Amino acid sequence: KNQVEQSPQSLIILEGKNCTLQCNYTVSPFSNLRWYKQDTGRGPVSLTIMTFSENTKSNGRYTATLDADTKQSSLHITASQLSDSASYICVVKGFQKLVFGTGTRLLVSP
Amino acid sequence: DAGVIQSPRHEVTEMGQEVTLRCKPISGHNSLFWYRQTMMRGLELLIYFNNNVPIDDSGMPEDRFSAKMPNASFSTLKIQPSEPRDSAVYFCASSVSGSTDTQYFGPGTRLTVL
Repeated sequence: KNQVEQSPQSLIILEGKNCTLQCNYTVSPFSNLRWYKQDTGRGPVSLTIMTFSENTKSNGRYTATLDADTKQSSLHITASQLSDSASYICVVKGFQKLVFGTGTRLLVSP
Repeated sequence: DAGVIQSPRHEVTEMGQEVTLRCKPISGHNSLFWYRQTMMRGLELLIYFNNNVPIDDSGMPEDRFSAKMPNASFSTLKIQPSEPRDSAVYFCASSVSGSTDTQYFGPGTRLTVL
């Protein structure tokens, strides 16, 4: 069964600290993996997209990694800011199908 | 660029009523997606169109839901009759189809069915 599992479900960190969010998937065949950031009350916004051949991609303070062998991805946030408080959703594209994780809710505390 | 436009932003209706949600995709985008998001189930793809043609509607919950895309700049999602369990945030997204096809989401319509 095609699934995307994210951990942790929720996370609280202090402003300025780093954190890493995890995404494990069983989607096959694999086309690409995306991380989205969703602020409360808004639609998701794409942070990174990685294909099979890419194992790391950065977008400012966000760095995503992909291990296609173990079917794992992580999103690392460096020097967190209050504006990073949001839900982060991992989405894996299989053969013409998108499979969504349920997200990690991050709260950055001052 | 105005981004993806959805209307209404909020809708409150009574069970049994018809609900129509509207979406205007980003100009030049040829793929359009309708999603539903709830706390329990997260984000779910309902249907997507490519060049105005429905490609995959396997996520549409049941016959009460229908979606149309009469032209490249407009789509509707209709629920008839609505039920309380349809209460959710409905997102529309658009993209240029391709291998990475980043989707741009609208602000969503928060639907409450009493």
